[in-house]
Amino acid sequence: DVKVTQSSRYLVKRTGEKVFLECVQDMDHENMFWYRQDPGLGLRLIYFSYDVKMKEKGDIPEGYSVSREKKERFSLILESASTNQTSMYLCASRLDGHEKLFFGSGTQLSVL
Amino acid sequence: DQQVKQNSPSLSVQEGRISILNCDYTNSMFDYFLWYKKYPAEGPTFLISISSIKDKNEDGRFTVFLNKSAKHLSLHIVPSQPGDSAVYFCAAIQTSYDKVIFGPGTSLSVIP
Repeated sequence: DVKVTQSSRYLVKRTGEKVFLECVQDMDHENMFWYRQDPGLGLRLIYFSYDVKMKEKGDIPEGYSVSREKKERFSLILESASTNQTSMYLCASRLDGHEKLFFGSGTQLSVL
Repeated sequence: DQQVKQNSPSLSVQEGRISILNCDYTNSMFDYFLWYKKYPAEGPTFLISISSIKDKNEDGRFTVFLNKSAKHLSLHIVPSQPGDSAVYFCAAIQTSYDKVIFGPGTSLSVIP
């Protein structure tokens, strides 16, 4: 079974703080994704990566950056957290050429 | 503008009856569709998928129907069980472009 692990289930940060969300997958998947889930908006793609050191902007990249130094790890960085970044953040991975995404359990981030 | 729409934010069904969740899309280039199920405080899990070359795919109690001319798909759950209570996300892919677009989700409640 594919395991996608997100480092924190719940996180509370202050406005202006730099925030790191970590995601690790154990199935040697090439593709990794960061989504945020908000009520009524579904899952929106922030950034994705097709392979190590590669990154592509999704639909809502503003205020975020990512890092993929190793194949199994994909980090989402909030450079200066703002209250409108309070959300559920979901990491996913996928084998290259396949459609199915495997998700982590999510990180509920609150920015105060 | 949302490319994948789930116009019913919520649905209540009696245990044992059929649940029908609907999804509409606007991009005729989408050629693969997936349904994901999400429990609170967990990541979405893959349920069932369908390629645009088919009009039906069945897996146990779950059947997905695709009407390409209407740009509409539906997920049927028969019989519905209380454990099916969750949020269901429809997702669409244009495989040449390789981006997964999610709908806003429908919250299903199966009443015992």
